[in-house]
Amino acid sequence: EAGVVQSPRYKIIEKKQPVAFWCNPISGHNTLYWYLQNLGQGPELLIRYENEEAVDDSQLPKDRFSAERLKGVDSTLKIQPAELGDSAVYLCASSLYKDTQYFGPGTRLTVL
Amino acid sequence: GQQLNQSPQSMFIQEGEDVSMNCTSSSIFNTWLWYKQDPGEGPVLLIALYKAGELTSNGRLTAQFGITRKDSFLNISASIPSDVGIYFCAGLDNYGQNFVFGPGTRLSVLP
Repeated sequence: EAGVVQSPRYKIIEKKQPVAFWCNPISGHNTLYWYLQNLGQGPELLIRYENEEAVDDSQLPKDRFSAERLKGVDSTLKIQPAELGDSAVYLCASSLYKDTQYFGPGTRLTVL
Repeated sequence: GQQLNQSPQSMFIQEGEDVSMNCTSSSIFNTWLWYKQDPGEGPVLLIALYKAGELTSNGRLTAQFGITRKDSFLNISASIPSDVGIYFCAGLDNYGQNFVFGPGTRLSVLP
């Protein structure tokens, strides 16, 4: 069974540019999470989807961040415009039952 | 909000030694997960705990769900070089919806 797939693995952009990350969860997992992980810290939730509905986006900085999961399967997280402080690893995770979750490899974003 | 603390923050051990680390909170959690993260990779699930007092093993790893439901422990026996990495605990919040992650314990194994 394939795990959570994320792309790209690495992205380097200049500040004020837009950037998008893509995630394909484990097949059949209806819950999808986007996390932010700063260096030396644990993951912090940005948004949680149940199927195509964003049920918790309270930690998503909505002035510059947006996300979508149109068909309830794969998802895209966008930042526009990116700032220097957005440099971090963006992790996607999925779960079938909300008592466990499985992570993808992450996208490492560097904003110059 | 709910927060988790992990100790030690980092540790250096000799290959073959046993390792103990813990995760504590002032809040009650109903599920605990332990993850290992290698450099440049996402966290990999090691052990899941669902019941207070539960003791679960996965090879050389053993984890326990604290009786108070405010802590959890992870032990690694006979450490090997590939055990190097960052170990995260995660607790399921009171609403049973989202996981809160600790800051991690960085493990280094010396040959």
